[in-house]
Amino acid sequence: GDSVTQMEGPVTLSEEAFLTINCTYTATGYPSLFWYVQYPGEGLQLLLKATKADDKGSNKGFEATYRKETTSFHLEKGSVQVSDSAVYFCALRSWGAQKLVFGQGTRLTINP
Amino acid sequence: GAGVSQTPSNKVTEKGKYVELRCDPISGHTALYWYRQSLGQGPEFLIYFQGTGAADDSGLPNDRFFAVRPEGSVSTLKIQRTERGDSAVYLCASSFAHQETQYFGPGTRLLVL
Repeated sequence: GDSVTQMEGPVTLSEEAFLTINCTYTATGYPSLFWYVQYPGEGLQLLLKATKADDKGSNKGFEATYRKETTSFHLEKGSVQVSDSAVYFCALRSWGAQKLVFGQGTRLTINP
Repeated sequence: GAGVSQTPSNKVTEKGKYVELRCDPISGHTALYWYRQSLGQGPEFLIYFQGTGAADDSGLPNDRFFAVRPEGSVSTLKIQRTERGDSAVYLCASSFAHQETQYFGPGTRLLVL
């Protein structure tokens, strides 16, 4: 079945550091890929998405590129801020399906 | 505008009791989803409604779990004979149509003692 594997956390970085959170997936066909973020005390929010190979999703300085050849969708940000501290979830939706399949989440803490 | 709302925000119950969790989707959204998130895990799909009907209930873990959406708007997730293993955060999401972005509510944290 479909699955998503994320980089184990927690991840702790200093402000202005470069961030990468790895995400790989297993799915039949060509899924849509998503990153959701859960800030402390808040609900899940869509951060960015990509719906086909080589697409790049971007938002709030975060980027992720849909790599079909490596079945990956790694999240990157060039300079993180304290306010980026949150739990990040990678997810996929298979073609023709409605449900999202999530990874286990990666907790990110940014220290000033 | 108003987002997805869920009530109650927290629910504590005893093993064997019946509980109902409510979800109010974003107005106009025809698709509604329920997920369950255990501690330290990502959300897991339970059921999806398109309008009033359950289009996919493949994620419901057993027949103690049931969900309804009688008028195509508000949905209720019902759990009979609760077990300690049912303790989790239950998330609701809605979207304008299937295949569109899902917007999540804040969740109901269920604790079964």
